[in-house]
Amino acid sequence: EAGVTQSPTHLIKTRGQQATLRCSPISGHTSVYWYQQALGLGLQFLLWYDEGEERNRGNFPPRFSGRQFPNYSSELNVNALELEDSALYLCASSNGQTGMNTEAFFGQGTRLTVV
Amino acid sequence: EDKVVQSPLSLVVHEGDTVTLNCSYEVTNFRSLLWYKQEKKAPTFLFMLTSSGIEKKSGRLSSILDKKELSSILNITATQTGDSAIYLCAVASTTWRGNDMRFGAGTRLTVKP
Repeated sequence: EAGVTQSPTHLIKTRGQQATLRCSPISGHTSVYWYQQALGLGLQFLLWYDEGEERNRGNFPPRFSGRQFPNYSSELNVNALELEDSALYLCASSNGQTGMNTEAFFGQGTRLTVV
Repeated sequence: EDKVVQSPLSLVVHEGDTVTLNCSYEVTNFRSLLWYKQEKKAPTFLFMLTSSGIEKKSGRLSSILDKKELSSILNITATQTGDSAIYLCAVASTTWRGNDMRFGAGTRLTVKP
């Protein structure tokens, strides 16, 4: 069974550009979470999608946005990139069914570098 | 607002030491608490705790949940350099938005030879 896959693995952009990061959850998982992990820092919650809808977002500016597609894959878009957006972006998926106690599984992340 | 707080943020020990990592949470409709280890990129799952007072063990790692105190600890005995990693705590809850999972910022553990 394939795990959570993220693409691209690495991404280099210049300040002001837009970046698009992609995540494919484990088959059967409907919930997708996005996290930002800047160098040396912990996970910062970005966005949570379930069943195609945005359920919650963290304390990030509106230029961080995303969506979830009917097949439950997800995209994270970062507009007007700033140097401090350089970080590892992790995606995790879990089974969103009520009452199910399952762990979230992480992808390998996308390392975004803004120059 | 739900939150998960881990302490300490970082910890440096020597091989053979025993460490205790802490996780406290404030969530409504708690379902479970999970521990992860992040060495390079993708965090890997360690334990899931749903019942208070029950210890989960895997080798030198063990964890207990205290639902009364809304907290959990992760113990690592006889630490090795390979235990150096970020340890993440997450809490799953059922909210009006659906089944949420919220992570703490993590504890960075460094084990020196």
